[in-house]
Amino acid sequence: DGGITQSPKYLFRKEGQNVTLSCEQNLNHDAMYWYRQDPGQGLRLIYYSQIVNDFQKGDIAEGYSVSREKKESFPLTVTSAQKNPTAFYLCASHRSTGNTIYFGEGSWLTVV
Amino acid sequence: GEDVEQSLFLSVREGDSSVINCTYTDSSSTYLYWYKQEPGAGLQLLTYIFSNMDMKQDQRLTVLLNKKDKHLSLRIADTQTGDSAIYFCASDRGSTLGRLYFGRGTQLTVWP
Repeated sequence: DGGITQSPKYLFRKEGQNVTLSCEQNLNHDAMYWYRQDPGQGLRLIYYSQIVNDFQKGDIAEGYSVSREKKESFPLTVTSAQKNPTAFYLCASHRSTGNTIYFGEGSWLTVV
Repeated sequence: GEDVEQSLFLSVREGDSSVINCTYTDSSSTYLYWYKQEPGAGLQLLTYIFSNMDMKQDQRLTVLLNKKDKHLSLRIADTQTGDSAIYFCASDRGSTLGRLYFGRGTQLTVWP
């Protein structure tokens, strides 16, 4: 089935450690996005990528990094520079000629 | 203020209609979306409406758009307990990049 797969679903990290969240899509979508969701809040855009080997900062990129080496994959690294990383992270994708954006099931990151 | 605003909570009785309201600020919005999020899950696209439409119906869902007042609503007919979830309104603010701007979400609780 076509879709967006995020892993891991749950992740615990010690302060000072980097962690990478995986996002893979088999929808042949050009664009991919990372959003962060905090309790009682809407989603805020971290990074997005329109094409392979290119990505742009969103509204809250500080403390995060991404890569887009393959069309299907858009991993997000939460670095130790991110002050408050505990949150729910959602990956999304979009076909450049369409108007629907699809989301993965999300990854919970907890810093302990 | 927020780009997209929604009331935070709504409670209805099973079988009644639910109406979730949203206001947005950017008149250049091309598409407006409604997403559903169940506990611990990603966002599921429910429906969307193009800005030159004022109504869209899809089975139990009716979307009304008042572009003059920048007001969007989602009506769920014959609400069921399985409709209990958080509902997010989102706008593209006219962007062709596929990025979305979300409200904080409305928690819909359906009582049997």
